[in-house]
Amino acid sequence: GQSLEQPSEVTAVEGAIVQINCTYQTSGFYGLSWYQQHDGGAPTFLSYNALDGLEETGRFSSFLSRSDSYGYLLLQELQMKDSASYFCAVRDGQNFVFGPGTRLSVLP
Amino acid sequence: GAGVSQTPSNKVTEKGKYVELRCDPISGHTALYWYRQSLGQGPEFLIYFQGTGAADDSGLPNDRFFAVRPEGSVSTLKIQRTERGDSAVYLCASSLPGADNEQFFGPGTRLTVL
Repeated sequence: GQSLEQPSEVTAVEGAIVQINCTYQTSGFYGLSWYQQHDGGAPTFLSYNALDGLEETGRFSSFLSRSDSYGYLLLQELQMKDSASYFCAVRDGQNFVFGPGTRLSVLP
Repeated sequence: GAGVSQTPSNKVTEKGKYVELRCDPISGHTALYWYRQSLGQGPEFLIYFQGTGAADDSGLPNDRFFAVRPEGSVSTLKIQRTERGDSAVYLCASSLPGADNEQFFGPGTRLTVL
């Protein structure tokens, strides 16, 4: 079957660094994506890793290890507006499987 | 430019009724996805269109669900004989050719079946 696991909640303070992990088990694998979703809003794309290693986009970085079926999203210099849910997603053939989401709370 | 739009934003219906949910993707996006999302969960894949054809409909839960994209742009998700368990937010996303890993989501339609 297909499954992704993420921590359900993470809490951090403004200015800190936080890492959100994602492990996956799928029959096929064509890359790991990350999306951010604010309450009541639509998911928005953050990053994508097709190959092993670190991808950096501003304050956000994403890492992938295909041999470990593991990836993470790293958020630096946290801001209050980063409080949201974060989803990892794996492309498996023609469809996409999303993780259950990690709710990040950034405290002042 | 305009993003993905979905109508209606909210739909309340009674058990057993038929509903149609509409999605207008970003112009030029050939790939279109439908997902549904329940509170506190991640989006659940329903169906994927490449152009006019359904390339993967393995996520449709049963034959009450059907989707079309007759001209390769606007798509309609149709649900027959709605059940209370169908209540969720239905999300549509589109992407550029060859860039399926970066999907642009619409605001969703919140469906409530009473």
